[in-house]
Amino acid sequence: GENVEQHPSTLSVQEGDSAVIKCTYSDSASNYFPWYKQELGKGPQLIIDIRSNVGEKKDQRIAVTLNKTAKHFSLHITETQPEDSAVYFCAARLSNFGNEKLTFGTGTRLTIIP
Amino acid sequence: DAMVIQNPRYQVTQFGKPVTLSCSQTLNHNVMYWYQQKSSQAPKLLFHYYDKDFNNEADTPDNFQSRRPNTSFCFLDIRSPGLGDAAMYLCATSREFPETQYFGPGTRLLVL
Repeated sequence: GENVEQHPSTLSVQEGDSAVIKCTYSDSASNYFPWYKQELGKGPQLIIDIRSNVGEKKDQRIAVTLNKTAKHFSLHITETQPEDSAVYFCAARLSNFGNEKLTFGTGTRLTIIP
Repeated sequence: DAMVIQNPRYQVTQFGKPVTLSCSQTLNHNVMYWYQQKSSQAPKLLFHYYDKDFNNEADTPDNFQSRRPNTSFCFLDIRSPGLGDAAMYLCATSREFPETQYFGPGTRLLVL
């Protein structure tokens, strides 16, 4: 099955600086990589996703990059704000029929320091 | 405009007393999922429904059951909750399997 590793587990960033969270996956058959943001006491919210046919995707201050050769993908948040403080989960989904469930990383607790 | 709704948000039950958590969706999605999330951990998939077809994960305990009476509603039944079942339970939906999943706010279960 798929295995997703996520680093770092905690990250503190000064407000206005950039934050980068990295994930690696084990199965080269994975083809879809979403990122979720989870605030305290709430369910995960999809913030951005990328499919294996592109290398980068950007949405305002958030970007995701994918390196299929190295089997890793990263979340980049620029100009961080206090409301970016949350736990972020990456995930990967296999494309093999019958085994396509999302496999989540272990999460990164991001703290933005005002 | 809530799209995936979970009730209640907090549930307290007694050890061994059956409990039911509910999820409803206004997205008309075909697939509904139940996840268990323990503190500081990633969500763990328990099972999912594709329409009326139930798909159980191999490591989901028999203590956990689910019902989906119609497209909009899905229930998680815990027959005999143990202390180790205290967790956040998340419902999610997707238009097709395994497309983009949208999560509800979760129900936090406390077992006394």
